[in-house]
Amino acid sequence: KNQVEQSPQSLIILEGKNCTLQCNYTVSPFSNLRWYKQDTGRGPVSLTIMTFSENTKSNGRYTATLDADTKQSSLHITASQLSDSASYICVVSAQYNFNKFYFGSGTKLNVKP
Amino acid sequence: DSGVTQTPKHLITATGQRVTLRCSPRSGDLSVYWYQQSLDQGLQFLIQYYNGEERAKGNILERFSAQQFPDLHSELNLSSLELGDSALYFCASSGGGGSNQPQHFGDGTRLSIL
Repeated sequence: KNQVEQSPQSLIILEGKNCTLQCNYTVSPFSNLRWYKQDTGRGPVSLTIMTFSENTKSNGRYTATLDADTKQSSLHITASQLSDSASYICVVSAQYNFNKFYFGSGTKLNVKP
Repeated sequence: DSGVTQTPKHLITATGQRVTLRCSPRSGDLSVYWYQQSLDQGLQFLIQYYNGEERAKGNILERFSAQQFPDLHSELNLSSLELGDSALYFCASSGGGGSNQPQHFGDGTRLSIL
C-alpha cells in the first residue's frame, strides 16, 4: 500500500534553534518527493522537489535530503524564525502513465520566542 | 501571492445541494490540480487537468466532477453534498503536465455543509 508517514506530529522549538522533520514512504514507482510549508488558512507553498537521483536540495534555510534506497527524507530548518511556524507536508509522487500524489499528514512546527 | 485565484473564499450550503468552485491558474500554466483538505484526512489529491484534458484521477468521488475550459480556468462541481464534504478545497497550477513541475497553490475555498 502506498503510504507517506511523517514524524513528529508536532514540534515546539525556540527561535534560533535548528530542527529536523522526517518523512518515510512506501510509494512505488517513485517519481519525486516534495516538501511544502502551509501557514494556517493558506495554501501550501513549495519548498523543494527532489527526484530519484537527488540527495540534497536547499532553499534558503531549508535543506531537504532524500535516501531513495531506504525511502526516507528529512527537512532540516536552520536558525529557525517565528515565521517558520507552520505545518510542513511531505508529498510523494508515483509515476505510472499518469501522476498520482500521496500526502503525509504533516508536522506542525511552533517556533517560540 | 501564488498567482492562483480561487473563488469563492467561503461557501456555506446545506446537505443535498450542489456547488461550483472556480480556479484561475497562474498566467501561462497549463495544468490545474484539485485537492481536498479535511481535518481528519489531511490533503488528498482529487484530479488533474492539462490543457483542457483530464490527466490524472485521485480519490475523487463520483458526486464530484471537474473541467478545464479553453481559457484554462477550471471548475470543480460538488453535488448531493454531505456533511463529510465540509473541507478546504485547493486548486494548484503548474506550467506543464509532468510530475516534476512545481505546483503553485491558491488559498482555497472553505466549504461548510450545514
